[in-house]
Amino acid sequence: GEDVEQSLFLSVREGDSSVINCTYTDSSSTYLYWYKQEPGAGLQLLTYIFSNMDMKQDQRLTVLLNKKDKHLSLRIADTQTGDSAIYFCAETSNTGTASKLTFGTGTRLQVTL
Amino acid sequence: NAGVMQNPRHLVRRRGQEARLRCSPMKGHSHVYWYRQLPEEGLKFMVYLQKENIIDESGMPKERFSAEFPKEGPSILRIQQVVRGDSAAYFCASSPSQDNEQFFGPGTRLTVL
Repeated sequence: GEDVEQSLFLSVREGDSSVINCTYTDSSSTYLYWYKQEPGAGLQLLTYIFSNMDMKQDQRLTVLLNKKDKHLSLRIADTQTGDSAIYFCAETSNTGTASKLTFGTGTRLQVTL
Repeated sequence: NAGVMQNPRHLVRRRGQEARLRCSPMKGHSHVYWYRQLPEEGLKFMVYLQKENIIDESGMPKERFSAEFPKEGPSILRIQQVVRGDSAAYFCASSPSQDNEQFFGPGTRLTVL
């Protein structure tokens, strides 16, 4: 079955880069996503990558995809205190009639001064 | 264009009562997904609906849980005879079609006493 794993916690200093990693098992994944969840809030889509891409950059965010190893990473450049949140990777594959998202367990990013 | 709306934002129920959670998708979106987030965990898919049809309910518990998305009005997730283990955040997402990005609502936080 599908399984998406992430490390639970990451602490970085303000101004440094953050790298959040994710591994998945479903080789039929078509899209892979990164969501941000702030305390008590819903999920905000940060970025996504199609499975035939290796890299996608969007301002401070860089997504790298290693499809062979089923490894996805999110790099946040110049990390700010406002980036403190839980980050979820998610994958979807159009199996039959549903394109449900399968989420990782989330990585809590703590940004220190 | 208002985002996905969920109400109530917080719901407290005693064991054995019923909980009704509402989700109004974004305008023009006819696909609705419900996810559950237990404390300190990622989101788990529950059910996927289109107008008047349940497409995939593979993540729904077999008993006490039901969902609908009528022709008019919001999607409803109904939990009968709630138990403490139902305490969680329930998120709704909507999309204009199966292959499109899912936009998440702010969630309903259910607490069962």
